[in-house]
Amino acid sequence: EVKLQQSGDELVRPGASVKMSCKASGYTFTDYAMHWVKQSPGQGLEWIGTIIPLIDTTSYNQKFKGKATLTADKSSNTAYMELSRLTSEDSAVYYCARRYGGYLDYWGQGVMVTVSS
Amino acid sequence: DIQMTQSPASLSASLEEIVTITCKASQGIDDYLSWYQQKPGKSPQLLIYDATSLADGVPSRFSGSRSGTQYSLKISRPQVDDSGIYYCLQSYSTPPTFGGGTKLELK
Repeated sequence: EVKLQQSGDELVRPGASVKMSCKASGYTFTDYAMHWVKQSPGQGLEWIGTIIPLIDTTSYNQKFKGKATLTADKSSNTAYMELSRLTSEDSAVYYCARRYGGYLDYWGQGVMVTVSS
Repeated sequence: DIQMTQSPASLSASLEEIVTITCKASQGIDDYLSWYQQKPGKSPQLLIYDATSLADGVPSRFSGSRSGTQYSLKISRPQVDDSGIYYCLQSYSTPPTFGGGTKLELK
């Protein structure tokens, strides 16, 4: 069974950084790209970027360049996303999702990030 | 970036109706179009991929189609459990872009 288990919700101070994880199981981690998606409160979905774990290649939405950094650890089948210089605009739920072909077939449960002093 | 214009933003339907949600792409996307359902507090779930293919485990009352650059999701005789928010996603070009979402209420 394919599963993407994300780390827990975060409460962080403005200006700080946060790093969240997405542990994959049930498939060969290096065979699929991992995407990250943002959902602001009461809003729609926004693509942040993707990483291809096999070759550690990343691609970012221009809007999130400098904000998000995607990495992957092949030894633990885990993808990571770090968000830096957090502001209230970064308060949102963040999802990881596996890309299969042209679509996202499995999603993590989401990480709620709250930026507050 | 490719814009995905999704409509309607919300709708209320009865269980006997046929529900149709559309996404119009700002340019051709070669059927790199998928549909997702999201329930409150949950992550999106894949319904349709490659514009017309039904994802595993998805009831056959869901279907997808295309006319030109307009893509449609149809729910025939929806069930109460089909309430939620529906999104389209184009993955033809980077960045992938989502439609704005359609909130479906069944009455």
